[in-house]
Amino acid sequence: SQTIHQWPATLVQPVGSPLSLECTVEGTSNPNLYWYRQAAGRGLQLLFYSVGIGQISSEVPQNLSASRPQDRQFILSSKKLLLSDSGFYLCAWSAPYEQYFGPGTRLTVT
Amino acid sequence: RKEVEQDPGPFNVPEGATVAFNCTYSNSASQSFFWYRQDCRKEPKLLMSVYSSGNEDGRFTAQLNRASQYISLLIRDSKLSDSATYLCVVNHVSRRALTFGSGTRLQVQP
Repeated sequence: SQTIHQWPATLVQPVGSPLSLECTVEGTSNPNLYWYRQAAGRGLQLLFYSVGIGQISSEVPQNLSASRPQDRQFILSSKKLLLSDSGFYLCAWSAPYEQYFGPGTRLTVT
Repeated sequence: RKEVEQDPGPFNVPEGATVAFNCTYSNSASQSFFWYRQDCRKEPKLLMSVYSSGNEDGRFTAQLNRASQYISLLIRDSKLSDSATYLCVVNHVSRRALTFGSGTRLQVQP
């Protein structure tokens, strides 16, 4: 069966610091992968999606970036965090239309 | 206008009650429809897909009305464990990612 992992589970970072969140999927090959952010009390906002290695589509302009160095690995990064980057970051894979989410990373930028 | 609109609630209902949520979507090219459940501070989890003919899974019934562009979820015999936020989700072929509503919060009371 397929599983999706995210780490870390929680993160507290100062403004201006870098960020790297990792997501890996097991049990499937060539999945579509997604990064979402959910601000407190708000809906899910799609940040990036990827249909294959090195293929990244950005949905919202911001100071975040994503990379897919391996088939089942998706990384979300920032060079300098802003206060507004705080939120719940969720990675997901699709099969083929339903999406399944990882446990998420709760990021607080202080 | 949002692509997917839901009443945020909260819906406060007693145990054993029947409760219904509606959701409207704006893009008539939408092709796949889902209900997700999200518990507080957790990732969304797929509750059920919604098919044109309507479908049922135990106490849960989902309906789709393409002409009016709305989706419904009916929960019968509510349990305390049904308390959560229910997300209406839509996909259309021109986008590879799902579009999430902001969710309807359900609180089942003893």
